[in-house]
Amino acid sequence: NAGVMQNPRHLVRRRGQEARLRCSPVKGHSHVYWYRQLPEEGLKFMVYLQKENIIDESGMPKERFSAEFPKEGPSILRIQQVVRGDSAAYFCASSPNLVDEQYFGPGTRLTVT
Amino acid sequence: QKEVEQNSGPLSVPEGAIASLNCTYSDRGSQSFFWYRQYSGKSPELIMSIYSNGDKEDGRFTAQLNKASQYVSLLIRDSQPSDSATYLCAVFSGGYNKLIFGAGTRLAVHP
Repeated sequence: NAGVMQNPRHLVRRRGQEARLRCSPVKGHSHVYWYRQLPEEGLKFMVYLQKENIIDESGMPKERFSAEFPKEGPSILRIQQVVRGDSAAYFCASSPNLVDEQYFGPGTRLTVT
Repeated sequence: QKEVEQNSGPLSVPEGAIASLNCTYSDRGSQSFFWYRQYSGKSPELIMSIYSNGDKEDGRFTAQLNKASQYVSLLIRDSQPSDSATYLCAVFSGGYNKLIFGAGTRLAVHP
């Protein structure tokens, strides 16, 4: 069984460019979560999605960040006009239900130069 | 007060000893409790889940839950250097309707 997959694993962008991070959940999981982790810091919740719906985006910055989980295909976290402060590890997790354990993907490490 | 609190550590224990990691939470209505292990540069990995008061054992790991005291702990017996990692406590909060992570405790097991 494939776990959560994320790509790319490493992404380098210049300031002002766009970053697109992809996440394919565990097969059968309809709940997807995105987290950000800065070096030596804890996990910060960003957004929770179910198929075609954003359920909770309370952790998303108001500007430049967006997320989707279409009916077909992976979940996408999109960061427009990246700045150096966006450099972090971005983890995706999925679960079969909201109250169940979440399984994490390997993460995408974004570096903004 | 943070929703889920952990001592950041580092907690240093000698090889073969018992490592005790603690976590407190603020939402009395919390239902599900999880421990994750995160090695440096890697993603969090689920190691234990616990839902009812008492102890739950899995190999060298024991999770303990006390809902009255709003306290959950993880014991690692016969600690090995390979257990050196950051341990994240996660609590499903009914009030926030989401899984809340603590900041993690860094464990260092020295030979």
